[in-house]
Amino acid sequence: QPVLTQSSSASGSLGSSVKLTCTLNSGHSGYSIAWHQQQPGKAPRYLMKLEGSGAYDKGSGVPNRFSGSSSGADRYLTISNLQSEDEAVYYCETWDSGFREFGGGTRVTVL
Amino acid sequence: QVQLQESGPGLVRPSETLSLTCTVSGDSISNYYWAWIRQPPGMGLEWIGHTYFFGSTNYNPSLKSRGTISLDTSKKQVSLKLRSPTAADTAVYYCARIVTLFGAIDYMDVWGKGTTVTVSS
Repeated sequence: QPVLTQSSSASGSLGSSVKLTCTLNSGHSGYSIAWHQQQPGKAPRYLMKLEGSGAYDKGSGVPNRFSGSSSGADRYLTISNLQSEDEAVYYCETWDSGFREFGGGTRVTVL
Repeated sequence: QVQLQESGPGLVRPSETLSLTCTVSGDSISNYYWAWIRQPPGMGLEWIGHTYFFGSTNYNPSLKSRGTISLDTSKKQVSLKLRSPTAADTAVYYCARIVTLFGAIDYMDVWGKGTTVTVSS
């Protein structure tokens, strides 16, 4: 079964860029993932689906500042022009026919 | 625009069954998978299980067969029952819609606002 690993925290100044990483375990490097954002005190929100090819499909209303990319077993979420409302925990998610898994989440702090 | 609303008792005794309902509005219930996810206080997201009108239901093995997820298409509701709850089941419980791609299960694209459940005597 696929397992996802995320770094626990990241930070960036207002207006800068930050790149988050979600890594799939050995043998599952081709899996697609999804990125979700959870702002403080709120439910998670779907951001995008990201394929192993690097192609991504964003949810409705997700700002252009959010983009995705892939390299091998790594899946990335890049937030450009960081805004205060981007301060949140970001989770990656993957799935199989009878299973799904979340990464531990990366807390993004806007300095 | 599809919306999901979780409901259920906020306090559950360890001897009872934890029962929650997710009501779906704005879309059909039969074209998607439906999942339950929980988040213990201060912790990350944990998939509980998912179900599909045209297929089977799958659960996280960590539940040790305590969970049941079902659909009521007439009421457009997804339910979760968790037997023999303990304090470790205290969490915010979310329901979510899962899209399909060419009939295969895919990602979660809509989340409910969540409901807080405390297990305590």
